[in-house]
Amino acid sequence: RKEVEQDPGPFNVPEGATVAFNCTYSNSASQSFFWYRQDCRKEPKLLMSVYSSGNEDGRFTAQLNRASQYISLLIRDSKLSDSATYLCVVPGRGAGSYQLTFGKGTKLSVIP
Amino acid sequence: DARVTQTPRHKVTEMGQEVTMRCQPILGHNTVFWYRQTMMQGLELLAYFRNRAPLDDSGMPKDRFSAEMPDATLATLKIQPSEPRDSAVYFCASGLGPSYEQYFGPGTRLTVT
Repeated sequence: RKEVEQDPGPFNVPEGATVAFNCTYSNSASQSFFWYRQDCRKEPKLLMSVYSSGNEDGRFTAQLNRASQYISLLIRDSKLSDSATYLCVVPGRGAGSYQLTFGKGTKLSVIP
Repeated sequence: DARVTQTPRHKVTEMGQEVTMRCQPILGHNTVFWYRQTMMQGLELLAYFRNRAPLDDSGMPKDRFSAEMPDATLATLKIQPSEPRDSAVYFCASGLGPSYEQYFGPGTRLTVT
């Protein structure tokens, strides 16, 4: 299994739809996870941190399944402004590793 | 609103020239990272520092790339000589330590012709 693997998409969804992305990881020792958002020709920006089983922030919910080693991101009531690439991020190998390993991203397009 | 800054934002150069990219991390962050992003490879970690000491630069082509932190407010990434395959966006990021989120600068878009 690759360190971090994501479905590249693109996901094309209408406004108001609910969309979910999955991400699998290989390092079973990983303790904290992140979802970053990257707009076209911009830098990645932190969207959510996931430290335990999950996290919710408004329309966004991140869930962690340690047994199956996957993380999901759910976006409810999609807005046009949600169009971006979503990067799944896991810590590198070894406890306390300073590295973060970024997935290649899932592209989301929200259509009017 | 603290943020990571990078200069230059864009750089076009000819093959064989030296390229220097600079980064100012967020004040108080003790870890600094250099990444390269291309369409094909995504985000690749090139090197990172903790408290200005290099911890890992295994992602860098050693013969042409070098990364340094002359002081806590400045990190540099140098390519000498540059090659067309080095064309990419180079991001600097800083953070507080292991398992903490990283904050990215706006990137340097490098084109080597």
